[in-house]
Amino acid sequence: AQSVTQLDSHVSVSEGTPVLLRCNYSSSYSPSLFWYVQHPNKGLQLLLKYTSAATLVKGINGFEAEFKKSETSFHLTKPSAHMSDAAEYFCVVSDRNAGNMLTFGGGTRLMVKP
Amino acid sequence: NAGVTQTPKFQVLKTGQSMTLQCAQDMNHNSMYWYRQDPGMGLRLIYYSASEGTTDKGEVPNGYNVSRLNKREFSLRLESAAPSQTSVYFCASSGRTGGIAQYFGPGTRLTVT
Repeated sequence: AQSVTQLDSHVSVSEGTPVLLRCNYSSSYSPSLFWYVQHPNKGLQLLLKYTSAATLVKGINGFEAEFKKSETSFHLTKPSAHMSDAAEYFCVVSDRNAGNMLTFGGGTRLMVKP
Repeated sequence: NAGVTQTPKFQVLKTGQSMTLQCAQDMNHNSMYWYRQDPGMGLRLIYYSASEGTTDKGEVPNGYNVSRLNKREFSLRLESAAPSQTSVYFCASSGRTGGIAQYFGPGTRLTVT
């Protein structure tokens, strides 16, 4: 069965410093992996997706993630945090063994201090 | 192009009452989904519809029913609401089932007292 673990429920950074949100997954086949962002009282917006092409994936708003099969990880990074990045972030996995359904991690709340 | 729309945005129900959450998409997507979001648990799939005329259970279907009214619309019904159904409900759509990105509506915040 597929599963996703987001290793930190809360991350706090200062504006202008790097962001690292950690995600580990479990999947039987080559998975598709996604990061979504949810701003307060809003729906989810797709940040980026990995679907077996390049292992370093660039997304919107300066975010990127690297697929590391040997470590079963898909960590999200950004070189310099902005106040507008404060939100909840979800790592999501999908694979054929689970009917291609999405499985969500529990979420990481990112706080950005001025 | 509104994407995925949901109504209502907020709802308060008493235990035992019924209601229907509405969802519509204008992206000509084949697949539609209903999720619930609870603190610390991410989103969990309630029901999905791979294409018009089909519906299937997800991870947490008990207490819910769905109708795929046409290609655009997918409704979620609570026949007899329970406090355990207090949650935020999201509708999503995608071009086909699985493996590709889903597009989410703004959510419905439901409280059952």
